[in-house]
Amino acid sequence: EIVLTQSPGTLSLFPGERVTLSCRASQTVRSNYVAWYQHKPGQAPRLLIFGASNRASGIPDKFSGGGSGTDFTLTISRLEPEDFAVYYCQQYGSSSGTFGQGTKVEIK
Amino acid sequence: QIQLVQSGPDVKKPWGSVKVSCKASGYTFTNYGITWVRQAPGQGLEWMGWISPDNGNTFYAQQIQDRVAMTTDTSTNTAYMELWRLTPNDTAVYYCAREPYIGCSGGSCPYYYYYGMGVWGQGTTVTVSS
Repeated sequence: EIVLTQSPGTLSLFPGERVTLSCRASQTVRSNYVAWYQHKPGQAPRLLIFGASNRASGIPDKFSGGGSGTDFTLTISRLEPEDFAVYYCQQYGSSSGTFGQGTKVEIK
Repeated sequence: QIQLVQSGPDVKKPWGSVKVSCKASGYTFTNYGITWVRQAPGQGLEWMGWISPDNGNTFYAQQIQDRVAMTTDTSTNTAYMELWRLTPNDTAVYYCAREPYIGCSGGSCPYYYYYGMGVWGQGTTVTVSS
């Protein structure tokens, strides 16, 4: 089973800042099947990025994904109040999917 | 519009079982798998597995594979997730989501395309307590 490790666990930032979240896989993720989700309390997760770098429908271009192999990133170019949430990476490969433990982005 | 509507909250006793439903509408049910994800209180998201409605193939997470069953009813476009031998650690919000896309590739069918879970149910709270 592929283990995803996200870092850091928590980030305290000001609105307007740029942030890059990291997701490292314990082995190569086939076909770069990595997705990123935003999750807020009381809501279902929201798909941001699929295939490592493709923005999902309706996602603003302030969100961008990158990376390949075992190292992946999610960048938010300029944080707005609604972006403070928990972000999860997820991989799908070999008939099983796993999530990272999440990175909480909180307002400083 | 495309949506997944889940059953309501449930309370179960340890060693019991729970069955959560997820009714799909607005798209061709057999064209997409249904994936199940849960989140225990204060914890992260946990991938549980998925089912292909076109042929019933299932793929379960290792840690629960001996006590979970995912099924579908294509006559009502509904997916089900049943979990048994419950413990308080199974207390969580359970989500269904639409993924993967089921197609063909180079004449080989089915072929699964992973575009991320873009459609989610509203979540079902399951509480396990004596």
